[in-house]
Amino acid sequence: NAGVTQTPKFRVLKTGQSMTLLCAQDMNHEYMYWYRQDPGMGLRLIHYSVGEGTTAKGEVPDGYNVSRLKKQNFLLGLESAAPSQTSVYFCATSYGRGQVKNIQYFGAGTRLSVL
Amino acid sequence: AQSVTQLDSHVSVSEGTPVLLRCNYSSSYSPSLFWYVQHPNKGLQLLLKYTSAATLVKGINGFEAEFKKSETSFHLTKPSAHMSDAAEYFCVVSGFGTSYGKLTFGQGTILTVHP
Repeated sequence: NAGVTQTPKFRVLKTGQSMTLLCAQDMNHEYMYWYRQDPGMGLRLIHYSVGEGTTAKGEVPDGYNVSRLKKQNFLLGLESAAPSQTSVYFCATSYGRGQVKNIQYFGAGTRLSVL
Repeated sequence: AQSVTQLDSHVSVSEGTPVLLRCNYSSSYSPSLFWYVQHPNKGLQLLLKYTSAATLVKGINGFEAEFKKSETSFHLTKPSAHMSDAAEYFCVVSGFGTSYGKLTFGQGTILTVHP
């Protein structure tokens, strides 16, 4: 039981390049989330999904796109990377919302540097 | 609206002494509150959660937190620090006024444990 798996773990991009981060979960959770973590700012929500085929914007969605074609996978795309997108990206999952269902489980993170 | 303030960005203790990490929150709804821990280069792990049951919540690794509504606080404590407790800790509030379980993260407190 792997839980929440993020691929890749590290990546270096040049400005303007594109890439996709993959989040895969085997917990059968409905909700999935993408966060970015920057020093002194905690985690900020980029996009989220409340089920297969649905996505929505979080707090900092600009410059990112997402897709949830399968329940177990949530993809985060950067179409034209910028240095401001240098960050650590975390995927999380939860059963749903509500006081118990909203406990979120996190992947190990992807460290992205944009030069 | 909801917010979280972690009152200390860094806390330093000696091994075997008590740990206190302070967190104040605000929420328009009866909140759920969490503490997560992040060890270096790792993902976030849930330490404990408050979901309107008992106000004193016990978590993993000897940590506990007390929900005080009158003080809007949810401080994390441990009677005796261990070297393995050195990590960054996040206080998190979850509200239910949106279509998903929005989590708002504090800025984090780095705990250093000296031998």
